[in-house]
Amino acid sequence: DAGVTQSPTHLIKTRGQQVTLRCSPISGHKSVSWYQQVLGQGPQFIFQYYEKEERGRGNFPDRFSARQFPNYSSELNVNALLLGDSALYLCASSLGTLAEAFFGQGTRLTVV
Amino acid sequence: GEDVEQSLFLSVREGDSSVINCTYTDSSSTYLYWYKQEPGAGLQLLTYIFSNMDMKQDQRLTVLLNKKDKHLSLRIADTQTGDSAIYFCAEWIPNDYKLSFGAGTTVTVRA
Repeated sequence: DAGVTQSPTHLIKTRGQQVTLRCSPISGHKSVSWYQQVLGQGPQFIFQYYEKEERGRGNFPDRFSARQFPNYSSELNVNALLLGDSALYLCASSLGTLAEAFFGQGTRLTVV
Repeated sequence: GEDVEQSLFLSVREGDSSVINCTYTDSSSTYLYWYKQEPGAGLQLLTYIFSNMDMKQDQRLTVLLNKKDKHLSLRIADTQTGDSAIYFCAEWIPNDYKLSFGAGTTVTVRA
């Protein structure tokens, strides 16, 4: 079975641009979460979606938004990119809101 | 509030046991996790423990939980070179539907 898949794997954007990151959860998983991992730090929680509804939101500005589709895949959008948004963005899927979370390989975003 | 702390580095000889320690603060945590991250990769779920357990063993991995002291440890028996990685401790924060991670412990296995 395929694990959590994220696309693209790498991305370079210019300050002020917008970016969309994509995530497909493990088949049968209904919950998707997004995390930001800056180099040298642990992942920081951005959003959790379950059954297409936002269940949790971390301490990130409104430039960050996400949604979950009927097939449970998810997109993370970041507007007006800043240099500080450069990070590894990780998607995790789980069966429910309280269950083991399995992570994808991440999308490495570089803002120049 | 929640705050997960880990020591930053651990060096261990191949074949010895590794012990990685972690402390957490949120008393509402229900699950505690250990993840492994190799260079350039995502997070691999190693094991987890429910908060009403004291110990969990899974092959070479042993997790010990002291809920009174909010202390979690991961023991890796017979450490191999392939165990070199960053290990993250994480607690599940049920009210916020999120995992709260420590900064990670870099484990280096020397021959």
